[in-house]
Amino acid sequence: EVQLVQSGAEVKKPGESLKISCKGSGYSFTSYWIGWVRQMPGKGLEWMGIIYPGDSDTRYSPSFQGQVTISADKSISTAYLQWSSLKASDTAMYYCARQVRTAVAGTEAFDIWGQGTMVTVSS
Amino acid sequence: SYVLTQPPSVSVAPGQTARITCGGNNIGSKSVHWYQQKPGQAPVLVVYDDSDRPSGIPERFSGSNSGNTATLTISRVEAGDEADYYCQVWDSSSDHPAVFGGGTKLTVL
Repeated sequence: EVQLVQSGAEVKKPGESLKISCKGSGYSFTSYWIGWVRQMPGKGLEWMGIIYPGDSDTRYSPSFQGQVTISADKSISTAYLQWSSLKASDTAMYYCARQVRTAVAGTEAFDIWGQGTMVTVSS
Repeated sequence: SYVLTQPPSVSVAPGQTARITCGGNNIGSKSVHWYQQKPGQAPVLVVYDDSDRPSGIPERFSGSNSGNTATLTISRVEAGDEADYYCQVWDSSSDHPAVFGGGTKLTVL
């Protein structure tokens, strides 16, 4: 079964650092981009960035560039999202998702999603 | 970056047809993907490339795209279809290539 399994919920204080993970299984992890998506409480989906685990090529949304770091360890089929100094406004659910190129139109969609990691930042 | 506009909410009675729109400048020239997100769950891809369905998605889910509007159509709506629905496009020329609409809450009356 193709799946992405994310690390568990986190409760942190402002200024603390954090690294959450997303482990892929059931497919060739190095052959597909992995994206990260933020969903703030009661809000919609926001694309943060993507990484290609095969060579760690990474792209960021301008809104998140410099705010987070996306990385991957292909030896353990795991992608990461990390913060060096959390803010209360980082409180959200974070999803990883496998990006695929569609067969007909050749555009990019997200076909497999992790279960989400809830990050709560509060003093 | 490219902007996708969805109505905040759509309501429909069971057994009827729900239509959820996604507006964007000349969106008909792009391929649109749709995701369903039930409360407390991760999104699920239900339609890709305007009108194709991943395996396991019922035929009741269909899509179309023309001009400035893409539409997700859910036929014979069931209580279990109540969810938030998001459209998404990929704009490869942009520095923000993955764009999601704001989402539409489908309520089954």
